[in-house]
Amino acid sequence: SQQGEEDPQALSIQEGENATMNCSYKTSINNLQWYRQNSGRGLVHLILIRSNEREKHSGRLRVTLDTSKKSSSLLITASRAADTASYFCATTGGGNKLTFGTGTQLKVEL
Amino acid sequence: KAGVTQTPRYLIKTRGQQVTLSCSPISGHRSVSWYQQTPGQGLQFLFEYFSETQRNKGNFPGRFSGRQFSNSRSEMNVSTLELGDSALYLCASSLATWDANEKLFFGSGTQLSVL
Repeated sequence: SQQGEEDPQALSIQEGENATMNCSYKTSINNLQWYRQNSGRGLVHLILIRSNEREKHSGRLRVTLDTSKKSSSLLITASRAADTASYFCATTGGGNKLTFGTGTQLKVEL
Repeated sequence: KAGVTQTPRYLIKTRGQQVTLSCSPISGHRSVSWYQQTPGQGLQFLFEYFSETQRNKGNFPGRFSGRQFSNSRSEMNVSTLELGDSALYLCASSLATWDANEKLFFGSGTQLSVL
């Protein structure tokens, strides 16, 4: 069963706008990661935030983590059509056994 | 550096048959994990192998098994296929250092259809 719930399930925005996705989880974690998946292909790692970190940036990505609320958010700034994909959060208590969220389908329109 | 390679890309089987999927990790990566992705259940962890030993296992029936070879390549096997086994099977590899904060590198997956 999945641990994480993501919100919204689907998001449609115009190119140049910002996209925000949220993830909630249930148990204590070692870290939280975000992955992107294009059209049912493999997942691509975007960013990892450790449980003792509150915010992390990577290029146009900004991730926040609130362990007290067991939630995280992913912000993609200045979205491009190429950002169209499904985005998943994944948590682990240690090791490579990841528990994935339900995913957010992002569509960026020209 | 070559990425994670999964073969075959597509597979069609009938109920009751068995299937073997293959995964070649990135060179130097010692951990290989397998995940099942379906529209209904999403992404679920199957098992992880490190140095030819199963290190972690998800909540799947014994029909799902795997192994890892000395060159870190891995195979997973599903016996007595059921319609519900239709899914995208993803393999992921990592360095498996002692740092628990590792990212995974995924292959493109094997799309299995059970008729």
